[in-house]
Amino acid sequence: AQRVTQPEKLLSVFKGAPVELKCNYSYSGSPELFWYVQYSRQRLQLLLRHISRESIKGFTADLNKGETSFHLKKPFAQEEDSAMYYCACQETSGSRLTFGEGTQLTVNP
Amino acid sequence: DAGITQSPRHKVTETGTPVTLRCHQTENHRYMYWYRQDPGHGLRLIHYSYGVKDTDKGEVSDGYSVSRSKTEDFLLTLESATSSQTSVYFCATLGTSGFNGELFFGEGSRLTVL
Repeated sequence: AQRVTQPEKLLSVFKGAPVELKCNYSYSGSPELFWYVQYSRQRLQLLLRHISRESIKGFTADLNKGETSFHLKKPFAQEEDSAMYYCACQETSGSRLTFGEGTQLTVNP
Repeated sequence: DAGITQSPRHKVTETGTPVTLRCHQTENHRYMYWYRQDPGHGLRLIHYSYGVKDTDKGEVSDGYSVSRSKTEDFLLTLESATSSQTSVYFCATLGTSGFNGELFFGEGSRLTVL
């Protein structure tokens, strides 16, 4: 079974500092990887997906198949980035997503 | 938001009572999911559906059942609620039919079992 691990439950940085949220996955196939975000009093929503190779709100994520990691990075954190972040892994059959435990990011002024 | 609504949004019940949570979507998405969100555990899949009357178990399905008689509705039932089922429950739909699809979430239903 696939498994997603986010080692940091809480992460606190100052505004303008770089931030990295770690995600490791275990899956025998070639899964697709995602980051979802839940801002205060908002619905959980997709932030970015690996296959799109995009940067959303200044965030990027690189898939490292050798290390089975998909860390989320932003060079200069903003206060509005404070939220709960979930890494998710989708198996190749397409129907199930497995989520990590989540990382609560706080960006201090 | 893919037109996903959950009801009730909040419920307090007693141990041993049955509880049904409803998820309603207006986007005609084929796949629907029920997750529970707990501190330290993140989001865990309870059950999911890949079509009308087609459902399958997730990783934490014990104590839960689901039904999908119409494309737009996906019901989650706790036959006899226990305190360990106190949680926030999220419904989601898959925006495309397969790989790389985006999940759209409801607002969540907070259930407290006393």
